[in-house]
Amino acid sequence: DAGITQSPRYKITETGRQVTLMCHQTWSHSYMFWYRQDLGHGLRLIYYSAAADITDKGEVPDGYVVSRSKTENFPLTLESATRSQTSVYFCASRRIQGISDPSEKLFFGSGTQLSVL
Amino acid sequence: QKEVEQDPGPLSVPEGAIVSLNCTYSNSAFQYFMWYRQYSRKGPELLMYTYSSGNKEDGRFTAQVDKSSKYISLFIRDSQPSDSATYLCAMSESGSNYQLIWGAGTKLIIKP
Repeated sequence: DAGITQSPRYKITETGRQVTLMCHQTWSHSYMFWYRQDLGHGLRLIYYSAAADITDKGEVPDGYVVSRSKTENFPLTLESATRSQTSVYFCASRRIQGISDPSEKLFFGSGTQLSVL
Repeated sequence: QKEVEQDPGPLSVPEGAIVSLNCTYSNSAFQYFMWYRQYSRKGPELLMYTYSSGNKEDGRFTAQVDKSSKYISLFIRDSQPSDSATYLCAMSESGSNYQLIWGAGTKLIIKP
């Protein structure tokens, strides 16, 4: 199916463990984003990528690592999970940067709910 | 103080009512204003987009921007139970998605 898919949907882990959240999109969109969503904070950008092998930090990158070896995949790794990283994580994609065309919106996946115990 | 403030709700109204959702912001350089709708256990989806000041209408939805007051609104006419969701405002100076600043979202409940 066309779209953007995230896996797993739910993940429970322990502090100190490494966790990787997967994101796959079928549109060949250039731009991909990782957000976290916490009560009272809205969406906060963790990392984004303009193309394969090009990534950059967002607002809250500490404790996270990303890679993008292929256009369609953008995994997010928590190298050593902490309780403060308990959150819902959303991956998003967009065909081009900028917003000159209002139809060029962000497309979000359904999210991964991560609990760090 | 957050750059974008949004009442988390929940806001509960009867079916058919007019709903008003609002965000205030502090950065006068914001020019691009968006409303996203997020259903439970789903990602947000773009509902309305406005550049600079003014109104924009799309069916039952109207987005309004008042830059002098640093205030944006989303109006929903003839509200339906299917409108029950969390509504997030987002805004940026340049329109680039990596510079989007998001409100925390308002949970809306439409009672049949």
